[in-house]
Amino acid sequence: GAVVSQHPSWVICKSGTSVKIECRSLDFQATTMFWYRQFPKQSLMLMATSNEGSKATYEQGVEKDKFLINHASLTLSTLTVTSAHPEDSSFYICSAGVGTSYEQYFGPGTRLTVT
Amino acid sequence: AQSVTQPDIHITVSEGASLELRCNYSYGATPYLFWYVQSPGQGLQLLLKYFSGDTLVQGIKGFEAEFKRSQSSFNLRKPSVHWSDAAEYFCAVGGMEYGNKLVFGAGTILRVKS
Repeated sequence: GAVVSQHPSWVICKSGTSVKIECRSLDFQATTMFWYRQFPKQSLMLMATSNEGSKATYEQGVEKDKFLINHASLTLSTLTVTSAHPEDSSFYICSAGVGTSYEQYFGPGTRLTVT
Repeated sequence: AQSVTQPDIHITVSEGASLELRCNYSYGATPYLFWYVQSPGQGLQLLLKYFSGDTLVQGIKGFEAEFKRSQSSFNLRKPSVHWSDAAEYFCAVGGMEYGNKLVFGAGTILRVKS
């Protein structure tokens, strides 16, 4: 149980285009979803937290207009990287939480490369 | 600010040897503690967690961890390492004092010598 999927697993896009990444909780309803960014050989950096039907809460330093997060249902959250640039290339990981257990279930990640 | 410290960036152990990965957190009277493992290019898999109760917790793949409140530590251990354990390990802390988020340590890369 508690499986989280991400799609796509990897994507290459050209500079200036937008890319959407989907995060789904497959066998449970996620009250909260989290989006992380991970640079090579580094830890996870929390980008934003989203609750179903509410606006996402972004961490300090994360551009809201660049990283659009939508949490339309209890099983789906999307991250759209708008007008992507090479510096946005990274590994993006989502996770889903249930209630107030503080436990998060992680997706397999999406490798984004912007050329 | 709340922080999690994993003092060892890399650790190399021989296959069959014991392993201990260190983790210290800076803040929290009632922390929720987690250890995750990440293989290259993959997401994070939960090894074990501590919320309350017995301070020695057992996890998957033969791992265990001990919560020591007096030392603000939650070290991960395995008595006999297998080559397949080579990966990166992250300690994370959550709870109300952490704003209901998880704060991750920098990670420890484990290499296993055959």
